Amino acid sequence: GQQLNQSPQSMFIQEGEDVSMNCTSSSIFNTWLWYKQDPGEGPVLLIALYKAGELTSNGRLTAQFGITRKDSFLNISASIPSDVGIYFCAGPWGTYKYIFGTGTRLKVLA
Amino acid sequence: NAGVTQTPKFQVLKTGQSMTLQCAQDMNHNSMYWYRQDPGMGLRLIYYSASEGTTDKGEVPNGYNVSRLNKREFSLRLESAAPSQTSVYFCANRAGAVVETQYFGPGTRLLVL
Repeated sequence: GQQLNQSPQSMFIQEGEDVSMNCTSSSIFNTWLWYKQDPGEGPVLLIALYKAGELTSNGRLTAQFGITRKDSFLNISASIPSDVGIYFCAGPWGTYKYIFGTGTRLKVLA
Repeated sequence: NAGVTQTPKFQVLKTGQSMTLQCAQDMNHNSMYWYRQDPGMGLRLIYYSASEGTTDKGEVPNGYNVSRLNKREFSLRLESAAPSQTSVYFCANRAGAVVETQYFGPGTRLLVL
């Protein structure tokens, strides 16, 4: 079945460092969504991408739609301790459904 | 506005017991969803309701039933709980059309012994 592969699965970084993660699919998506899940909470939408090649920012977060539309990238600049959590990519699958990646777990060392 | 709310937050069941997970939204969105989240598995869709009065199976529907009681409420029922259903369950709704996104509830943590 369809899968979204996220890389890396987990990462430790020093506070202040920049972070990059990506999500790849075997199919083309017209929309890419990036969520963050804090421990014990539900996922919260960070950024939504709608156009191939589009780059969208939300504060220190920047996400980019890959040219092939089979991938997407999320970058976090100058990481801080509250960036800790799991980051999920997702895309619409059919008219009403969504498919989610397995997540990138981010841990920030102060 | 509370957004998407879920009850209970935690539940422990014995194998074979039944229970209903409740979800409600105050966002007036048509579509609602139930997911389960297991370590290393991401979010997997159990059932969804595109609109009031309709429900459809997702990726992992076995052992579950749902009811879309009205536009606000979408419940998930486990008729005979099994240890394999130990998971964190999330309800979500969908803002479609112009903005494509989902809003999630805080989750229900279920342990089946």
